[in-house]
Amino acid sequence: EAGVAQSPRYKIIEKRQSVAFWCNPISGHATLYWYQQILGQGPKLLIQFQNNGVVDDSQLPKDRFSAERLKGVDSTLKIQPAKLEDSAVYLCASSLDTEAFFGQGTRLTVV
Amino acid sequence: GNSVTQMEGPVTLSEEAFLTINCTYTATGYPSLFWYVQYPGEGLQLLLKATKADDKGSNKGFEATYRKETTSFHLEKGSVQVSDSAVYFCALITSGTYKYIFGTGTRLKVLA
Repeated sequence: EAGVAQSPRYKIIEKRQSVAFWCNPISGHATLYWYQQILGQGPKLLIQFQNNGVVDDSQLPKDRFSAERLKGVDSTLKIQPAKLEDSAVYLCASSLDTEAFFGQGTRLTVV
Repeated sequence: GNSVTQMEGPVTLSEEAFLTINCTYTATGYPSLFWYVQYPGEGLQLLLKATKADDKGSNKGFEATYRKETTSFHLEKGSVQVSDSAVYFCALITSGTYKYIFGTGTRLKVLA
């Protein structure tokens, strides 16, 4: 079974630039999550989708972050404009029930 | 609100030593509890889980028991190996939401 695929693995941008991350979940998984993991901290939920509907985006900084999941499959997370404090690993995960499967993440460095 | 508290690391042990990483939680209702492991440069992997009180999750020699009376889910292993060096995250989800809440993680370093 293929796992959760994310791209790119690494990204370096200057502050105020924009960036987008892509996630392809495990086939058939209805729930998709985006997490932000700052160095030395646990993952923090940014947004949770159930199929192509948003279940929880209460911690998504909506003035600069946006996410979509068209057709209930792939998802993209965008940051525009980026700030230095956005430097983190962005993890995508998907689940069918209680077990979440994580991708390898995208490490974003904002300089 | 719901939360997870883990012991701070790093934890440094010699190979074959006994490991305990403490985890306590605060949650409404009856959460499911998880331990995830993150090896360097990789994403999180589920290590074990327990879905109701007194359940014991186990995998790869690791164990954790869901203790409702002490709201704890401590991770244990009788004899650690160098390959167990990683960051361990305790997490919970509350019934019906599938929203994971993670602890801050505990880094384990095992020396040969």
